[in-house]
Amino acid sequence: KQEVTQIPAALSVPEGENLVLNCSFTDSAIYNLQWFRQDPGKGLTSLLLIQSSQREQTSGRLNASLDKSSGRSTLYIAASQPGDSATYLCAVLYSNYQLIWGAGTKLIIKP
Amino acid sequence: EPEVTQTPSHQVTQMGQEVILRCVPISNHLYFYWYRQILGQKVEFLVSFYNNEISEKSEIFDDQFSVERPDGSNFTLKIRSTKLEDSAMYFCASSEGGLAGGQETQYFGPGTRLLVL
Repeated sequence: KQEVTQIPAALSVPEGENLVLNCSFTDSAIYNLQWFRQDPGKGLTSLLLIQSSQREQTSGRLNASLDKSSGRSTLYIAASQPGDSATYLCAVLYSNYQLIWGAGTKLIIKP
Repeated sequence: EPEVTQTPSHQVTQMGQEVILRCVPISNHLYFYWYRQILGQKVEFLVSFYNNEISEKSEIFDDQFSVERPDGSNFTLKIRSTKLEDSAMYFCASSEGGLAGGQETQYFGPGTRLLVL
């Protein structure tokens, strides 16, 4: 079964720290992996998309890596800010064109 | 910046009633999707739609669900006879191209929160 797992489920850190969120997936036959941000009661915003042939993508203070062989991705957030507080979701697009989602990591950045 | 919109933002209905959730995808996008997120659970894929046909659907998308593009702008999800377990946030998304290339980003609407009583 295709599954996506995210750890930790929740994370609280002081402002300014660098942090890493983890995502693992069970099937390496993927098209891409995406990281999304979800704010309470709001929609889903795509942050980074890594194609299966790529190893990382960067956008501003965010860097996402992909290791297909081990079924892992990390989202690195540099110099965290209170505005980064949100739930971060990892989603994997498998060869059946269905996006399978992790349960998310709820991130709180304390001022 | 173009965005996906959804109406209503909230809907309360009685069990057994039919509901229609509406979405306006980004205007030049050709691929459309519905997802749902039951409170406290993972986002789940329901269906994808292209060229007036369903492209993919999950096991969740059974006969009580249907999708339609009734005109050039709207994309709807109909739930024929709602059950308590249909209570969830329903997200619509669209993409310019198909997902097969692995490089298309889906743009999501803000969601419709459906509560079935």
